Amino acid sequence: GENVEQHPSTLSVQEGDSAVIKCTYSDSASNYFPWYKQELGKRPQLIIDIRSNVGEKKDQRIAVTLNKTAKHFSLHITETQPEDSAVYFCAARGGTSYGKLTFGQGTILTVHP
Amino acid sequence: GAVVSQHPSRVICKSGTSVKIECRSLDFQATTMFWYRQFPKQSLMLMATSNEGSKATYEQGVEKDKFLINHASLTLSTLTVTSAHPEDSSFYICSARQGQVNTEAFFGQGTRLTVV
Repeated sequence: GENVEQHPSTLSVQEGDSAVIKCTYSDSASNYFPWYKQELGKRPQLIIDIRSNVGEKKDQRIAVTLNKTAKHFSLHITETQPEDSAVYFCAARGGTSYGKLTFGQGTILTVHP
Repeated sequence: GAVVSQHPSRVICKSGTSVKIECRSLDFQATTMFWYRQFPKQSLMLMATSNEGSKATYEQGVEKDKFLINHASLTLSTLTVTSAHPEDSSFYICSARQGQVNTEAFFGQGTRLTVV
């Protein structure tokens, strides 16, 4: 089955700096890669996603890049703000098995004012 | 986005009892629902995939006789934790998807289960 590795497990930045979180996946058939933000005790919120036919996608301060050959994808947050502090999860979804998501281990992002 | 409602949000039960958690898609028909478990400071681990009108598909290591899943309609799936033990205490989250495999799945707000 799919295996998703996420790094780093914790990330601390100053307000205004950029933050980068990286994930690798094992199943070359995976074709959908969402990123979720989860605050303590809350549901994961989709913040951006990318499909395998696209190399990069951007939404304001958030961007995701995908390298299918290397099987890795990254989340980039620019001009970080304290409210960006949360746990971020990457995930990968293959084309079979009812499209289930396999999640990375999560990254605790702390943005210091 | 679509709305998925999960109930209850918190539940405390005694060891040995059973607890039922509901997951409803409020404004769309969910052909597939997923049940996850999340322990503190850990990732979401898929427990099972539920398709309307058929038996759930459980992930390796998940006891299907302990975690009963029913997806009787296109808007409701239930997870029943039977004979709960303290080690079953966790955050349980469902997600629901409408239609094809490549459509987005939406998460419920989660249920914090504490077994005492």
